[in-house]
Amino acid sequence: AQKVTQAQTEISVVEKEDVTLDCVYETRDTTYYLFWYKQPPSGELVFLIRRNSFDEQNEISGRYSWNFQKSTSSFNFTITASQVVDSAVYFCALRTTLNTGTASKLTFGTGTRLQVML
Amino acid sequence: DTEVTQTPKHLVMGMTNKKSLKCEQHMGHRAMYWYKQKAKKPPELMFVYSYEKLSINESVPSRFSPECPNSSLLNLHLHALQPEDSALYLCASSQVISTKASYNSPLHFGNGTRLTVT
Repeated sequence: AQKVTQAQTEISVVEKEDVTLDCVYETRDTTYYLFWYKQPPSGELVFLIRRNSFDEQNEISGRYSWNFQKSTSSFNFTITASQVVDSAVYFCALRTTLNTGTASKLTFGTGTRLQVML
Repeated sequence: DTEVTQTPKHLVMGMTNKKSLKCEQHMGHRAMYWYKQKAKKPPELMFVYSYEKLSINESVPSRFSPECPNSSLLNLHLHALQPEDSALYLCASSQVISTKASYNSPLHFGNGTRLTVT
């Protein structure tokens, strides 16, 4: 069975601080896909990034960066120079492909609530 | 603006009412999903439709009845709900997750319907 752990329930930072959100996953599948979503108070889950298990390149997109490490089964997300608009709940999610019938399912972590204060 | 539109945004209903939630997408996706999200919890998958056919039902009680009239529309019919069914109901769409080429397809979510059962 697969599992996603986001150990940080809530994080508070002051604007312009850097913050890293942790995501640790478990799966027996050798081919899998990881996603990060942002959920602002409005409710919509906004897709941020995806990464597959055979591509360990880290990625930077503006103030966002992602560090994928298969050796530690982690896919961490860093926001540089945080802003108030970054305040949201962030979910890490895993898709495995062991069974085509269940590949539609995403296993979500419990989420990390980020509050960025002025 | 989200490309998956859900109506209504808010719904209050009594336990004897019948109501429907609606979802529409124009992204050309052939997979559509219903998720239920309780406060401070991750989304939980309820149903998946692939090519307008129900492909996954996560043992959801029959008081929730999904319907996919065409490739752009997804409904969730509600009848005789309980107060514990109060939650945010999220619709999502994606490519059909059935081939290697589609496994990295993210889900695109709507803003959700916040349902209160009194």
